[in-house]
Amino acid sequence: NAGVTQTPKFRVLKTGQSMTLLCAQDMNHEYMYWYRQDPGMGLRLIHYSVGEGTTAKGEVPDGYNVSRLKKQNFLLGLESAAPSQTSVYFCASSYRGPSGRTDTQYFGPGTRLTVL
Amino acid sequence: GDSVTQMEGPVTLSEEAFLTINCTYTATGYPSLFWYVQYPGEGLQLLLKATKADDKGSNKGFEATYRKETTSFHLEKGSVQVSDSAVYFCALSDTDKLIFGTGTRLQVFP
Repeated sequence: NAGVTQTPKFRVLKTGQSMTLLCAQDMNHEYMYWYRQDPGMGLRLIHYSVGEGTTAKGEVPDGYNVSRLKKQNFLLGLESAAPSQTSVYFCASSYRGPSGRTDTQYFGPGTRLTVL
Repeated sequence: GDSVTQMEGPVTLSEEAFLTINCTYTATGYPSLFWYVQYPGEGLQLLLKATKADDKGSNKGFEATYRKETTSFHLEKGSVQVSDSAVYFCALSDTDKLIFGTGTRLQVFP
């Protein structure tokens, strides 16, 4: 049981390049999330998904796109990278709790992205 | 909308000191409340949680009690260790996501 995994762990891009970050979970969770964390800062939600085939915007969605074609995978795309997107990106997954609200989120180890 | 407010850090303590990190929240309905910990270079890990008023979550010597009357979920530990140095995040459950506080850095010195 690997939990939440992220690929790649590190990446360096030049301004204007594109890339896709992959998140995979093996816990059969309905919900998946992408966050970014800048140095010394908290988490900011980029996009999230409440089920296969669905996506929704979070707090800072501009410059990113996502897709959830399979329940276990959630992809984050940067179409034209900018230095302002230099950050650590975390993926998380969770399930619906007894209250009907989302419950515990499980986080991946992060992807460290530098845009030059 | 729902929100979480944490005390600003860093919190600097000597080993074996008592720890309190304050967290208050604003929410409609009855959210679950969480504390997460992030060690350097790692992702967030669940430390403890509470799902209803007066519940006490506990793990690794840390405790927090869900106080509906004061809308608080303060994190406490009786005797901190150097290995507890990390960033601690308070969070509450919204319908489809968690709302996180800004995090509090704890530094424990020998």
